[in-house]
Amino acid sequence: QKEVEQDPGPLSVPEGAIVSLNCTYSNSAFQYFMWYRQYSRKGPELLMYTYSSGNKEDGRFTAQVDKSSKYISLFIRDSQPSDSATYLCAMSQPQGGYSTLTFGKGTMLLVSP
Amino acid sequence: DTGVSQNPRHKITKRGQNVTFRCDPISEHNRLYWYRQTLGQGPEFLTYFQNEAQLEKSRLLSDRFSAERPKGSFSTLEIQRTEQGDSAMYLCASSAWEGAWETQYFGPGTRLLVL
Repeated sequence: QKEVEQDPGPLSVPEGAIVSLNCTYSNSAFQYFMWYRQYSRKGPELLMYTYSSGNKEDGRFTAQVDKSSKYISLFIRDSQPSDSATYLCAMSQPQGGYSTLTFGKGTMLLVSP
Repeated sequence: DTGVSQNPRHKITKRGQNVTFRCDPISEHNRLYWYRQTLGQGPEFLTYFQNEAQLEKSRLLSDRFSAERPKGSFSTLEIQRTEQGDSAMYLCASSAWEGAWETQYFGPGTRLLVL
């Protein structure tokens, strides 16, 4: 079993839909949780990060963490065709002042006009 | 552009050849990471530098791989005697602490194809 599990999709939705992306993890030492967006043939771009359980909102994006269930989510409201990309969850644990990231496989999202 | 840059963007090589990739981090960042991403997978950690010191290496980094960061500025990743299984996107990230949070900024990657 991988440390971070993420459904690779693809997930196809119409423009304007609410999108829910999820990851589960097994390592309870993970304390920092991130979502990256990766367009085809580009490097990952940080979207959201959070530390504690609960919700964090930024514009159309909401990140949710449930540490007791080892489950994190990213919600996208009013999805746009420009949101079509692969969404990677990533997590890390504190280790001597730096943090190597453990990523999920990524979920490919397709938003149709 | 003041982001992380990587060169070359693409590299095609024959099995058994050596290749070297370069990463130029964001200038004020003293931390630098290398990751490898294969098709359909998320990036996997390879190695970490703080300034010029290489502080951690993943077991994915076989003895055919070597990384350097002379003078704590740019970094190079060399693969000797390439194998077809080395075909992947090699990503570099540099980071800074933003309050209590370390944010890693990724470059566009170098896509390697070993024939």
